[in-house]
Amino acid sequence: DGGITQSPKYLFRKEGQNVTLSCEQNLNHDAMYWYRQDPGQGLRLIYYSQIVNDFQKGDIAEGYSVSREKKESFPLTVTSAQKNPTAFYLCASTYLGMQFFGPGTRLTVL
Amino acid sequence: QKEVEQDPGPLSVPEGAIVSLNCTYSNSAFQYFMWYRQYSRKGPELLMYTYSSGNKEDGRFTAQVDKSSKYISLFIRDSQPSDSATYLCAMSSSGGSYIPTFGRGTSLIVHP
Repeated sequence: DGGITQSPKYLFRKEGQNVTLSCEQNLNHDAMYWYRQDPGQGLRLIYYSQIVNDFQKGDIAEGYSVSREKKESFPLTVTSAQKNPTAFYLCASTYLGMQFFGPGTRLTVL
Repeated sequence: QKEVEQDPGPLSVPEGAIVSLNCTYSNSAFQYFMWYRQYSRKGPELLMYTYSSGNKEDGRFTAQVDKSSKYISLFIRDSQPSDSATYLCAMSSSGGSYIPTFGRGTSLIVHP
């Protein structure tokens, strides 16, 4: 089955910790994206990558970092510099203007 | 003015009703128009995709794009309780590297 997988489904972070969210796709799409979704605020773009070894900041990149070493993988690290990381995180990929989403990771700060 | 405007609702309808969901936008460069359905705590699911203007039908769903009015619609016929979800519109252009601009979503409740 082709698609986007995200892990873990739920993640708990203590204050001051860095955590990494996994995103893998087997759709052979070049472009991948990370969004944050908060209640009542819609989707906000964190980072995107249109090709391996290259990525760009989105609207709310502060406190986050990414890497794109393989076409299939686009992990997101939420660093301790992100002051309010509790949110639902969505990974996506795009083909010919159509964007497809993974199932999401819910991150909670304890 | 936001680039994409979408009424957050909630929109509550009885089972079997025809539902109309709408978005307006300001960027005339948008060429690709999408509708997503998102259930609580799940990722958005692509429902409809339209390039440029016109109508597209898929089962109970019809998407319409009116570029002259900068207005897109999603119609759901014979609505079911399982249609209860948040519906997101999104649009993009090749000039914007296909990065979609999303509406905030409309919450739909279909009651039996």
